[in-house]
Amino acid sequence: RKEVEQDPGPFNVPEGATVAFNCTYSNSASQSFFWYRQDCRKEPKLLMSVYSSGNEDGRFTAQLNRASQYISLLIRDSKLSDSATYLCVVNLPKYIFGTGTRLKVLA
Amino acid sequence: SAVISQKPSRDICQRGTSLTIQCQVDSQVTMMFWYRQQPGQSLTLIATANQGSEATYESGFVIDKFPISRPNLTFSTLTVSNMSPEDSSIYLCSVSGGPSGNTIYFGEGSWLTVV
Repeated sequence: RKEVEQDPGPFNVPEGATVAFNCTYSNSASQSFFWYRQDCRKEPKLLMSVYSSGNEDGRFTAQLNRASQYISLLIRDSKLSDSATYLCVVNLPKYIFGTGTRLKVLA
Repeated sequence: SAVISQKPSRDICQRGTSLTIQCQVDSQVTMMFWYRQQPGQSLTLIATANQGSEATYESGFVIDKFPISRPNLTFSTLTVSNMSPEDSSIYLCSVSGGPSGNTIYFGEGSWLTVV
């Protein structure tokens, strides 16, 4: 089993839609969790950290479920500019990256 | 977050040659890392660059193939030695930081194509 697993997608959604991604991790000792965004031919950039109580940043909501060992990212009111690959990252403390979920927001 | 500059940003290299990638950070950082992202794949940690001592390599990566230098707290280099087409990849320098110190930030990457 991979240490961090994500559905590769692509998720094709219309503008304004709500979309959610999940990411599962195998090591229960994982300490920190993050979502990164990677645009085509660009470096990954931090989207948000994921806290135990869940956290929200504008249209983005991240949740952590330690019991089931997954994190989620919810994007509301999708914009064309949200089209990117979203990477789940787990800190063990070594940083383990998922393979990413591709999102395409369609006009 | 720190500003991380990498060069070259991209290069096309001949098989069998070596290329050194430079990473400069605008502030002193304790932890610097080198990642590789092969086409269509996620990021894989090559090594942690340690200031004043040998780098710590991950499984599958060796110093002879990927020698790393870290002469101070703001600069590191990664050399890809004796390149083959399988080394065609993005190489990313990263540092840890942020409010809790455990967020990683990336340079813009060095895109290498080996022909």
